[in-house]
Amino acid sequence: DSGVTQTPKHLITATGQRVTLRCSPRSGDLSVYWYQQSLDQGLQFLIQYYNGEERAKGNILERFSAQQFPDLHSELNLSSLELGDSALYFCASSAGQHNTGELFFGEGSRLTVL
Amino acid sequence: GENVEQHPSTLSVQEGDSAVIKCTYSDSASNYFPWYKQELGKGPQLIIDIRSNVGEKKDQRIAVTLNKTAKHFSLHITETQPEDSAVYFCAAIDSNYQLIWGAGTKLIIKP
Repeated sequence: DSGVTQTPKHLITATGQRVTLRCSPRSGDLSVYWYQQSLDQGLQFLIQYYNGEERAKGNILERFSAQQFPDLHSELNLSSLELGDSALYFCASSAGQHNTGELFFGEGSRLTVL
Repeated sequence: GENVEQHPSTLSVQEGDSAVIKCTYSDSASNYFPWYKQELGKGPQLIIDIRSNVGEKKDQRIAVTLNKTAKHFSLHITETQPEDSAVYFCAAIDSNYQLIWGAGTKLIIKP
């Protein structure tokens, strides 16, 4: 158990809809990262928050947005969903902001867009 | 910017044999190189990492070697066991402290 909690574990929705994925980081970790993993694909970095502020942005679509709340949990919002958005979405957390230590990954939220 | 290439994409070895996965990176300033293991249905988990001030690091059956001159690093797994079957990802840190990930290697351990 990494200590990172993601909900929901599975989500099925239709094209055009909007969903919210939630992540609770490991106790004490200030950084939260969001990754997308499509079927048999690698890890695509989306965005990082550190202590409530956006720290770094990767290949995140304009239809996607995220935030980190004062209690350090984070939400990833996906809107105007397309079939190609079907993927596993992972949240990870770390103590610092600089990726020079271990990232702790949650078990992921599997999104299916029909 | 940093680019990380990982080979092979799939590796099948007999149980008990060794497995080697190789990664190359482009940014000579990179100084941190982690390896993550992703088991089926789970999130990636750090198994070993190396910093640029050392050339090799071992942890039981797992070792990582780093060649800064050639800009490549490798994961070595000895005496492979069925539980080693997974997808392995290498990564390198770029100048913005972001991890740049390899495409992953699916390791299959044949009984």
